[in-house]
Amino acid sequence: AQKVTQAQTEISVVEKEDVTLDCVYETRDTTYYLFWYKQPPSGELVFLIRRNSFDEQNEISGRYSWNFQKSTSSFNFTITASQVVDSAVYFCALSESTGGGNKLTFGTGTQLKVEL
Amino acid sequence: DAEITQSPRHKITETGRQVTLACHQTWNHNNMFWYRQDLGHGLRLIHYSYGVQDTNKGEVSDGYSVSRSNTEDLPLTLESAASSQTSVYFCASSEGRGVSYNEQFFGPGTRLTVL
Repeated sequence: AQKVTQAQTEISVVEKEDVTLDCVYETRDTTYYLFWYKQPPSGELVFLIRRNSFDEQNEISGRYSWNFQKSTSSFNFTITASQVVDSAVYFCALSESTGGGNKLTFGTGTQLKVEL
Repeated sequence: DAEITQSPRHKITETGRQVTLACHQTWNHNNMFWYRQDLGHGLRLIHYSYGVQDTNKGEVSDGYSVSRSNTEDLPLTLESAASSQTSVYFCASSEGRGVSYNEQFFGPGTRLTVL
């Protein structure tokens, strides 16, 4: 069965610091998809990125970057020069292709607090 | 603009009562999902549907049911509410029948309290 582990329950940083959120996953599938979602204090879930298991290229979007490493089953998320608006709960999720359809298995989330 | 809505946004009920949470999407998506969010557990899948008349159990389906009579709606029913079902409930949808790679779009959530 698939599993997603976000070992960091809560991280506190000072604004402008860089911060990395860890995500480790387990799956038996060779084809799968990984996602990151953001949940700000207002409560909605916002899609950030999708990565398929065949594409190990790192991705950068502004201050956000993602590092996917199949060898360590990790899909880590880095925020550069963090801002107060980055304060949120961040979820990593996994979708398998074999019989899994589009179901998502979520990690337990990492609460990021960015302070002035 | 297309959207996904949930109602009510907040609900307080008593143990043993039947409760139905509504989810309506105007994306015309085939796939719809219900999750519950609890501290320390993240989001867990309750039920899901890949199209009209299709429903499937998720990880934590006991005590819940769904039905899919049209593309737009997937109501979630708690047959006999229990205090353990106090939670925040999220509905989500995605396009492509059962396709693994599409992102899910989430509703605003319903906070349910069972006293």
